[in-house]
Amino acid sequence: QVQLVQFGAEVKKPGSSVKLSCRASGDTFGTYTLTWVRQAPGQGLEWMARVIPVLGITNYTQKFQGRVTFTADRSTSTAYMELNSLTSEDTAVYYCARDAPSGSDIFHFWGQGTVLIVSS
Amino acid sequence: DIQMTHSPSSLSASVGDRITITCRASQSISNYLNWYQQKPGKAPKLLIYAASSLQSGVPSRFSGSGSGADFTLTISSLQPEDSATYYCQQSYSNPITFGQGTRLEIK
Repeated sequence: QVQLVQFGAEVKKPGSSVKLSCRASGDTFGTYTLTWVRQAPGQGLEWMARVIPVLGITNYTQKFQGRVTFTADRSTSTAYMELNSLTSEDTAVYYCARDAPSGSDIFHFWGQGTVLIVSS
Repeated sequence: DIQMTHSPSSLSASVGDRITITCRASQSISNYLNWYQQKPGKAPKLLIYAASSLQSGVPSRFSGSGSGADFTLTISSLQPEDSATYYCQQSYSNPITFGQGTRLEIK
């Protein structure tokens, strides 16, 4: 069974960067599509990006262009998303999700989310 | 971008009621429409995919229908555990978009 594990929380200052992690198990890491979705407090779900970790193939929304970087560590089956130039508007819960079949954008599997608070 | 619009934005109903939530896309998306349930503090959970296919393990009181631009999620007999926010999501084109959600309260 696919499982996605994310760390609980991060607190960052405006202008800084954060590197969020998503550790996968139960499948061959990195050959499938991993998606990042965020949810601001009291708001709906916002799709951010789609990545195939080991191939480095990414698609992401225009608003994050130039501000987001994706990496992966095959040895630990962990995907990372680094978000730069943080503002208070980046305060949200960040989820990683896996679709099935890969590339379908039907999100069967979700991490528990990482809470990011951006505050001075 | 394809806009997804829920109706209503919130709903209150009683145990045993039949309820319907509507999701409208700003353009035709064929049947590339998925429904999720989210409870407070939890990740979303897939209920329905491809407009009408019930995800494994989801109770049969949940059903989905529609194609093109208009879709519905129906819960045939509400249970207390159905209290949640429900989101539609189009998987037709980039960027993937979600509706703003329908909050369902059980009286």
